[in-house]
Amino acid sequence: AQSVTQLGSHVSVSEGALVLLRCNYSSSVPPYLFWYVQYPNQGLQLLLKYTSAATLVKGINGFEAEFKKSETSFHLTKPSAHMSDAAEYFCAVSGRGNNRLAFGKGNQVVVIP
Amino acid sequence: EAGVVQSPRYKIIEKKQPVAFWCNPISGHNTLYWYRQNLGQGPELLIRYENEEAVDDSQLPKDRFSAERLKGVDSTLKIQPAELGDSAVYLCASSYAGTSGGASNEQFFGPGTRLTVL
Repeated sequence: AQSVTQLGSHVSVSEGALVLLRCNYSSSVPPYLFWYVQYPNQGLQLLLKYTSAATLVKGINGFEAEFKKSETSFHLTKPSAHMSDAAEYFCAVSGRGNNRLAFGKGNQVVVIP
Repeated sequence: EAGVVQSPRYKIIEKKQPVAFWCNPISGHNTLYWYRQNLGQGPELLIRYENEEAVDDSQLPKDRFSAERLKGVDSTLKIQPAELGDSAVYLCASSYAGTSGGASNEQFFGPGTRLTVL
């Protein structure tokens, strides 16, 4: 079974500073990896996904993530935080051959002006 | 293009009462998912449909939960009777599997139904 670990439920970042959200995965098969964002009272929206092409994946809103097999990681970054980035972020994994997404517990990002 | 539609958005019921949630997926999406999201947690899959067939319902508590997807489009998730621990947000998502199996395909989520059981 696949799983992901996100540490630190709440992350505070100053406006203009680097956003870094960590995600480590566990999978017995080559995984597909995803980052989703959830704004208050809204559904989840896909930021980016890794499907075994380039290891550095660029997504929407200036976010990117790098797949590192040796570290079993898929950390999400954005060079400069904006107030609109305040939301909850979820890392998720699925195994090839099944559509079951396993989500992490999420990171609530607070952007400080 | 319309997104995934869910209703109601909010529901408050007393324990032991029945409740139902409705989902209309994105047009053309053959795969439909129901997730439960507890407070402070990520979503957890309850059931997945491929067209009208439930292909993954291993996480659905079948003693009180049921779901259907008639004609492979809309879906209803029911709880009867509801318990205090069922308070959560119930999310519906859909995706198009195509011919590749769909494991890497984006799932599009609705806004969810927030259920409060008193």
